[in-house]
Amino acid sequence: ETGVTQSPTHLIKTRGQQVTLRCSSQSGHNTVSWYQQALGQGPQFIFQYYREEENGRGNFPPRFSGLQFPNYSSELNVNALELDDSALYLCASSLGDRSGDTQYFGPGTRLTVL
Amino acid sequence: AQSVTQLGSHVSVSEGALVLLRCNYSSSVPPYLFWYVQYPNQGLQLLLKYTSAATLVKGINGFEAEFKKSETSFHLTKPSAHMSDAAEYFCAGEMNRDDKIIFGKGTRLHILP
Repeated sequence: ETGVTQSPTHLIKTRGQQVTLRCSSQSGHNTVSWYQQALGQGPQFIFQYYREEENGRGNFPPRFSGLQFPNYSSELNVNALELDDSALYLCASSLGDRSGDTQYFGPGTRLTVL
Repeated sequence: AQSVTQLGSHVSVSEGALVLLRCNYSSSVPPYLFWYVQYPNQGLQLLLKYTSAATLVKGINGFEAEFKKSETSFHLTKPSAHMSDAAEYFCAGEMNRDDKIIFGKGTRLHILP
């Protein structure tokens, strides 16, 4: 059973650029959530996808968007990058979208915006 | 507003001593609560979770936490600290049972030899 994987590990972009981060869910999981973890802070919920549909969104602007594919892998897209977007981006997969379902986290993608 | 508050951004304990990491929540209904650990350059790993089955929850690596509704707390403990316990610990909760997880700001645990 493979765990949650994310790519790339690190990424450097400049203001105004666009970025795509990728996540491969744990085998059998149909739900993926994305989080932003700024330095010294706890993760903040961006959005969740369940069976390819957005299933909840946190307090992030529309330039943060996502996709979930039929194989349940996922992408996080951020347009018009800002300096404050520099953070560790974590994805987490779970068996379902029910409350209390355990989320399994990937190692994260460290994004630096210059 | 729903929230999760971790008291102490840094906690230092001696190897072999009791570990106590504090977490309080604010919620209108009994929440689901979680403790996660994050090692440097890694993602979060679930230590334990409370889903109302039992107030004392046992997790991995010898950690446990007790849900106290009267104190709105879910403190994490371990009887005897080990050097390998040095990491960042996050308390998190699903407050309305249909909302997504809210994380505390984290507590960095330092183990002194």
